[in-house]
Amino acid sequence: NAGVMQNPRHLVRRRGQEARLRCSPMKGHSHVYWYRQLPEEGLKFMVYLQKENIIDESGMPKERFSAEFPKEGPSILRIQQVVRGDSAAYFCASSPGQGDSPLHFGNGTRLTVT
Amino acid sequence: KNQVEQSPQSLIILEGKNCTLQCNYTVSPFSNLRWYKQDTGRGPVSLTIMTFSENTKSNGRYTATLDADTKQSSLHITASQLSDSASYICVVSALPNAGKSTFGDGTTLTVKP
Repeated sequence: NAGVMQNPRHLVRRRGQEARLRCSPMKGHSHVYWYRQLPEEGLKFMVYLQKENIIDESGMPKERFSAEFPKEGPSILRIQQVVRGDSAAYFCASSPGQGDSPLHFGNGTRLTVT
Repeated sequence: KNQVEQSPQSLIILEGKNCTLQCNYTVSPFSNLRWYKQDTGRGPVSLTIMTFSENTKSNGRYTATLDADTKQSSLHITASQLSDSASYICVVSALPNAGKSTFGDGTTLTVKP
């Protein structure tokens, strides 16, 4: 009964490269959320997706960032032309989307931009 | 603007002692409030959820309270253990769907032997 799986756990990229972060939600969950956490700060909402649809991307920067949740496969958060300020922990969470179900979080991907 | 404020920012207590963490919010309309525990290097894990009509809810040594009139919640930890050292995050939702909730910045609790 696997939980939310994120990979890689750690990712190092040089400035200007692309970062691709993957998230497999819990079995039966069709709602995926991405959050960013800077050191010593709280979680900040980025984007909310259901299968094949972006529901709310109000927390995601307009430039360089994109997210998808295809019909088959994991959700992907893609950061193009990374800059040092993108260094953070990126957490994915999933839920079945009904009632008061809590979010189930993965253990995050720690992105370091050198 | 929806906001969640937590206090204190950090707290150090001795093993076996009790402590109380505070959460004030201005989220409206209000659907529910959750407390999460985030261990270092891990994702948050849900501890409790409270809806408008609930005043108190317990989960083992964790007891959450909610005052919907004053828009305050607290998380009380009894007989603390070293494994309680973590960040405790208050999350308030305006809608039943938990995703686009408002997160507090957390209280970092350190339990020392």
